[in-house]
Amino acid sequence: DQQVKQNSPSLSVQEGRISILNCDYTNSMFDYFLWYKKYPAEGPTFLISISSIKDKNEDGRFTVFLNKSAKHLSLHIVPSQPGDSAVYFCAASGGALAPGQLTFGSGTQLTVLP
Amino acid sequence: NAGVTQTPKFRVLKTGQSMTLLCAQDMNHEYMYWYRQDPGMGLRLIHYSVGEGTTAKGEVPDGYNVSRLKKQNFLLGLESAAPSQTSVYFCASSSPSLGKAKNIQYFGAGTRLSVL
Repeated sequence: DQQVKQNSPSLSVQEGRISILNCDYTNSMFDYFLWYKKYPAEGPTFLISISSIKDKNEDGRFTVFLNKSAKHLSLHIVPSQPGDSAVYFCAASGGALAPGQLTFGSGTQLTVLP
Repeated sequence: NAGVTQTPKFRVLKTGQSMTLLCAQDMNHEYMYWYRQDPGMGLRLIHYSVGEGTTAKGEVPDGYNVSRLKKQNFLLGLESAAPSQTSVYFCASSSPSLGKAKNIQYFGAGTRLSVL
């Protein structure tokens, strides 16, 4: 049973606009959340993370929001650029997972149109 | 500045053949992981290791074995390959001692395996 879910397999956004990628989780004991970005034929690369004690973390054009009561997090990319086109994975750690272990969502393919 | 290196990058096997995937990291990380990625399934953990000489099962361990004889290397073995093991395999590493970065895993570029 998947504990981290990304319900949108794909998202298309115009260049310069905001991209919002969503992620839901079921385990309230998760205490750390991460977003990874993956280009074709490459491994996932870490993008941004947030601890469960925070509700927002910002890094340049990327902001992650965490809503613990809704068990929901989102990644905002503003402004979106064609180079942001990639698959984005949400991941979580903590709870009953082993130390350092992450559980991943199924990913969302973001396409930024020029 | 290699990070995590996986070999080979591509491989085609026939059903029943065996092979070993090699993962090497030069970041002195204690933890290492093997994942498989299938369409619509995200990354699923096969096996992991929290230190030299120790391994543990992940979410989908059946049909695979692993070994961590040296801290920098993590091997994934398929003893008798099956078509269901056709996938892209990723290795990752992390360190529990890196403060806020302790949960960040660093990935290799992947091995694309086809089993016919």
